[in-house]
Amino acid sequence: DAGVIQSPRHEVTEMGQEVTLRCKPISGHNSLFWYRQTMMRGLELLIYFNNNVPIDDSGMPEDRFSAKMPNASFSTLKIQPSEPRDSAVYFCASRPWGHSPLHFGNGTRLTVT
Amino acid sequence: TQLLEQSPQFLSIQEGENLTVYCNSSSVFSSLQWYRQEPGEGPVLLVTVVTGGEVKKLKRLTFQFGDARKDSSLHITAAQTGDTGLYLCAGAPTGGFKTIFGAGTRLFVKA
Repeated sequence: DAGVIQSPRHEVTEMGQEVTLRCKPISGHNSLFWYRQTMMRGLELLIYFNNNVPIDDSGMPEDRFSAKMPNASFSTLKIQPSEPRDSAVYFCASRPWGHSPLHFGNGTRLTVT
Repeated sequence: TQLLEQSPQFLSIQEGENLTVYCNSSSVFSSLQWYRQEPGEGPVLLVTVVTGGEVKKLKRLTFQFGDARKDSSLHITAAQTGDTGLYLCAGAPTGGFKTIFGAGTRLFVKA
């Protein structure tokens, strides 16, 4: 099993640029989560999907953030335009059902200068 | 405000010592999970506790779920340098599926 795959591992961009983060969940998992981790705020839930449908996006900080899940094997998190305060590690996680544990990718470290 | 409060935030101990970290909430959870995270990686599941009062053991780690399912603890016996990492508790409040995390306890075990 390949696990949850995120790309890129590192992204450095300038303020104002568009950033797209990608995630491939584990095959057969029907829920997908996007989290953001910083030293100050810990792991914050941004949005989660169930069967490719966004269920709760109340954690998305602003309209600059958007997430899509066009099919069961792919999701994107887009930031447009990016700002320095968006710098963080972004994690994608998936799980097979209900309250089962989450399987995390290794994250994308985003730096916005 | 964190729905799941973890304490202590940071712990530095000598190899061989025992320690306990706590995860507390005013909300009831259907289950709580403990994860461990190492630098450059995502959190990895250690255990899930489901039943109020439940105790689970994983080698030198003992996990307990409070009777009211609002709190949990992780006890490590005879800590080793390999136990160093960030320990996170997580769960979905009863009735929901949104998994939230505590801020974590950063443990450093010195040789």
